[in-house]
This record gives sequence, structure tokens and C-alpha cells, in this order.
Amino acid sequence: GEDVEQSLFLSVREGDSSVINCTYTDSSSTYLYWYKQEPGAGLQLLTYIFSNMDMKQDQRLTVLLNKKDKHLSLRIADTQTGDSAIYFCAESGSSNTGKLIFGQGTTLQVKP
Amino acid sequence: DAGVTQSPTHLIKTRGQQVTLRCSPKSGHDTVSWYQQALGQGPQFIFQYYEEEERQRGNFPDRFSGHQFPNYSSELNVNALLLGDSALYLCASTTGGFGGNTIYFGEGSWLTVV
Repeated sequence: GEDVEQSLFLSVREGDSSVINCTYTDSSSTYLYWYKQEPGAGLQLLTYIFSNMDMKQDQRLTVLLNKKDKHLSLRIADTQTGDSAIYFCAESGSSNTGKLIFGQGTTLQVKP
Repeated sequence: DAGVTQSPTHLIKTRGQQVTLRCSPKSGHDTVSWYQQALGQGPQFIFQYYEEEERQRGNFPDRFSGHQFPNYSSELNVNALLLGDSALYLCASTTGGFGGNTIYFGEGSWLTVV
């Protein structure tokens, strides 16, 4: 079946790197995504990775994909207080029809 | 370029009532999906509309129904509201009935059932 799991909470100091981890079950998922949700707001697409890639870098964000272990991570370099939010990992499934399966979200707290 | 827009942003309904939520997809997108996000949880897929038809559905009862209009906008209707329907309802849009890298979400509609 389809399932995505994330750790619930991460606390870091401003300026440090943050690493948010995610495991998924559908090894045939075509795309894997990271979304950010600030309090009271909708979901902001941060980045995504195609399943045939191992790594993708986009400014301060680095996504690593280990297909063998079905493990996805999001690294945020030089974490700022404005990065405090809930981060969701999501998989597309093999059909890639726009239906996303989400994890329960990781709350990132950035301390000044 | 307008993103995904949803209305209303907040609403309060009484148990047993019916509610209609609206979504306009991002410009150039023709596929709309609806998600329910309960407090403290990740979003759960309700259903998806493409070419004015429901193309796939998640594990939600028939009280949840929808519609897509020729201009690609969509409505989500929930009948016989229960307290457990209180949640943030999110609309997502993409193109061509596929996922890929262009799935964008709106700000959501907060529904409180009392």
C-alpha cells in the first residue's frame, strides 16, 4: 500500500543546516515532493525530484533520494527563522496522475 | 499570473447542513484535485476532476461530491455535515491530468462544523 512517514519535530539554531527525513512505500513513485506550510496557510511547493535522480539542488535546498531504501531527505542550508514551518513529503505513486500521498509533516523550529 | 484561488477562506456550518467550496486553478492548468487536511495531519486526497469528470477518488463517503466547469474551475460539496468534517480543504491544480512537477495548492478553505 501507499504510505509516507516523517519524524514529527526538528529544532535547529539559526544558521545551522536542517535535515528533514521521509520514508515512502511505493517504490514505483515517479515524483517525490517537498511542500512547506506556514501557520494558517496553504501548501507551498518547495521542490521535487524525479525518481531517476539521486540528488537535486535548488539554492539553499538539497534533496537526496535513496530509491533502494525508499528514503527522501530535504536539507536546508543556513536555516533562517523564516524557515520555521511544517514540511510535508509527498509521493506521486506509479500512475503519476496528480494524486499525492502525504506524510504527516515535520515541524521545523528555528531558534535565534 | 494568478495561482490557485479558493473561496471562501473561512466558514462555520452547523451539523447536518451542506457546504460548497470553490476553486479556480492556476492559469494554464486544467486538472483540479481536492484534499482534506485535519488539524495536525497531512492532506488526504478526496477526488480529482479532469475534463469535467471525476477521474479518481480517495476513501471518502458519497457525502463528498464535486463538479468541474468548462473553464476548469471546480466546486466541492459536502452534504449532511459532521463534526469530523471540520478541516482545511485544499485545492490543487495541474495540467493534462498528470502530476509531474507542476502541482500547486491554494491557500485553502477552513471549515468549522459546530
